[in-house]
Amino acid sequence: AQKITQTQPGMFVQEKEAVTLDCTYDTSDQSYGLFWYKQPSSGEMIFLIYQGSYDEQNATEGRYSLNFQKARKSANLVISASQLGDSAMYFCAMRLIQGAQKLVFGQGTRLTINP
Amino acid sequence: GAVVSQHPSWVICKSGTSVKIECRSLDFQATTMFWYRQFPKQSLMLMATSNEGSKATYEQGVEKDKFLINHASLTLSTLTVTSAHPEDSSFYICSASWWGANVLTFGAGSRLTVL
Repeated sequence: AQKITQTQPGMFVQEKEAVTLDCTYDTSDQSYGLFWYKQPSSGEMIFLIYQGSYDEQNATEGRYSLNFQKARKSANLVISASQLGDSAMYFCAMRLIQGAQKLVFGQGTRLTINP
Repeated sequence: GAVVSQHPSWVICKSGTSVKIECRSLDFQATTMFWYRQFPKQSLMLMATSNEGSKATYEQGVEKDKFLINHASLTLSTLTVTSAHPEDSSFYICSASWWGANVLTFGAGSRLTVL
């Protein structure tokens, strides 16, 4: 079974500051992928970043980076130099490489960027 | 990049009627499609996984006779909400992947309101 936990229901950050969104996961499988998606008020799911369980380097995509700590089973998203357009819901998700390969989501964190 | 088209984007129907939502992969062959349901201010809950040419696998608690999923081709999957009731009102969103892909691509979602 897979489980994703996001413990921050809401986060408020000043524009241009960095923000870390927390995510922990639980699985007994060794092969899995971790994802972060952004969901603005329109409802679309925007893929931000991916980290494979065997990747030794932390993933980075522009202003997004994933702080992957395998031993602690955490996959926090770091957004540098936040912008007003970053205000949205953020979901952490996990997908096993073997088996059903379904994507399981955490509860989400609502990020609000203040000017 | 991979694009998934989902329509209708919103639909209003009377209680007791059936509604069909389509999900199409426009530039790739979707070997697997996933259907999610999202209530306001909540996370995405997986309803079912469908593989082209085979029956969908439903998550525990999801009524397969109420939520009919068909994945007849590598580019099209449909979700039919049969005999819809107000409690079926929700945001339904599909996602698709192809063989070997890590990242799922999501449709824009369909907002269903049952009166």
